[in-house]
Amino acid sequence: EAQVTQNPRYLITVTGKKLTVTCSQNMNHEYMSWYRQDPGLGLRQIYYSMNVEVTDKGDVPEGYKVSRKEKRNFPLILESPSPNQTSLYFCASSPLAGYYEQYFGPGTRLTVT
Amino acid sequence: AQKVTQAQTEISVVEKEDVTLDCVYETRDTTYYLFWYKQPPSGELVFLIRRNSFDEQNEISGRYSWNFQKSTSSFNFTITASQVVDSAVYFCALGPYGQNFVFGPGTRLSVLP
Repeated sequence: EAQVTQNPRYLITVTGKKLTVTCSQNMNHEYMSWYRQDPGLGLRQIYYSMNVEVTDKGDVPEGYKVSRKEKRNFPLILESPSPNQTSLYFCASSPLAGYYEQYFGPGTRLTVT
Repeated sequence: AQKVTQAQTEISVVEKEDVTLDCVYETRDTTYYLFWYKQPPSGELVFLIRRNSFDEQNEISGRYSWNFQKSTSSFNFTITASQVVDSAVYFCALGPYGQNFVFGPGTRLSVLP
């Protein structure tokens, strides 16, 4: 089944404790992206990747890191999480940026206390 | 810069009413793609439609229809004879060819029985 998977789905952590949210797609898509969703703000892009080893900042990159070492994986790293990073996070992939629709993962609900 | 505006934050209708969700976009590109996504209460993001900038033909899919007008930079979404199952947050998105996606803030639609 074609899908985007994210792990974990739910995470509660404390300020400053490094964490990684994994994202993987099995559709051989070139483009992958991370978004955060907050009430009233919609989906805001954190980072995106046009291809392996190519990543770029979205609208809200502060406090996040990403890497794209393999085509299928695009992990999101929070090196020192803070409470303002409490949010719902979505990973997405697409065959080509801007042209095709994006396929979204199920979301990761992160709470930083 | 690319931008998507969804001026209606929340809309509430009674079942069987028609409802139109507005989407206005800004881009300097001549080639771009527009999308609508639905996010039901369960939280997943569901792709509804994709439209390219060269095709202004309106589209109808069952009770859903979309009106794309380049002259006003709008891509509005109408649900005819709304049903309770249409209750969701709806996002409009813009995808300039080969570039990252931009989402609007979303419109929360509540369909009351």
